Amino acid sequence: SQTIHQWPATLVQPVGSPLSLECTVEGTSNPNLYWYRQAAGRGLQLLFYSVGIGQISSEVPQNLSASRPQDRQFILSSKKLLLSDSGFYLCAWNLPNQPQHFGDGTRLSIL
Amino acid sequence: RKEVEQDPGPFNVPEGATVAFNCTYSNSASQSFFWYRQDCRKEPKLLMSVYSSGNEDGRFTAQLNRASQYISLLIRDSKLSDSATYLCVVRGSGGSYIPTFGRGTSLIVHP
Repeated sequence: SQTIHQWPATLVQPVGSPLSLECTVEGTSNPNLYWYRQAAGRGLQLLFYSVGIGQISSEVPQNLSASRPQDRQFILSSKKLLLSDSGFYLCAWNLPNQPQHFGDGTRLSIL
Repeated sequence: RKEVEQDPGPFNVPEGATVAFNCTYSNSASQSFFWYRQDCRKEPKLLMSVYSSGNEDGRFTAQLNRASQYISLLIRDSKLSDSATYLCVVRGSGGSYIPTFGRGTSLIVHP
């Protein structure tokens, strides 16, 4: 069966520090991969999605970036975090025409 | 008009009650529809897909009305454990296959 792993679960970072969140999917090939952010009490905001290795589409311009170095690996990065980057970051995957499945999420606090 | 709209609630109901949520969507070419459940500080989890003819899963019934462009979720015999936020998801086809999430409807079931 397919599983999705996302880490870390919780992260506290100072303003201006770099960020790297990792997500991996097991048990499937060539999945669509997504990064979302959810601010407290708000809806899901799509940040990036990828339909294949090296293919990244950005939905919202900001100081975040994403990479897909391997078929089932999706990384969210930042060179310098802002206070506004705080939130709940969720990785998701699906196959075409199938519903998405989410990782456990990373709760990021910026101090 | 937002692509996917939901009444944020909260819907506050007693145990055993029947409660219904609606979700409207703006893109008439939408092809796939889903309901997700999100518990506080957790990731969204797929509750059920919504099929054109309507479908039922235990106490949960989902329906699609293409003419009026809305989907609904009916929960019968509400349990305390049903308390959560229910997210409506709509997806197009082809180039618009990226799922669009509603902001969710909060349900609180009390004793």
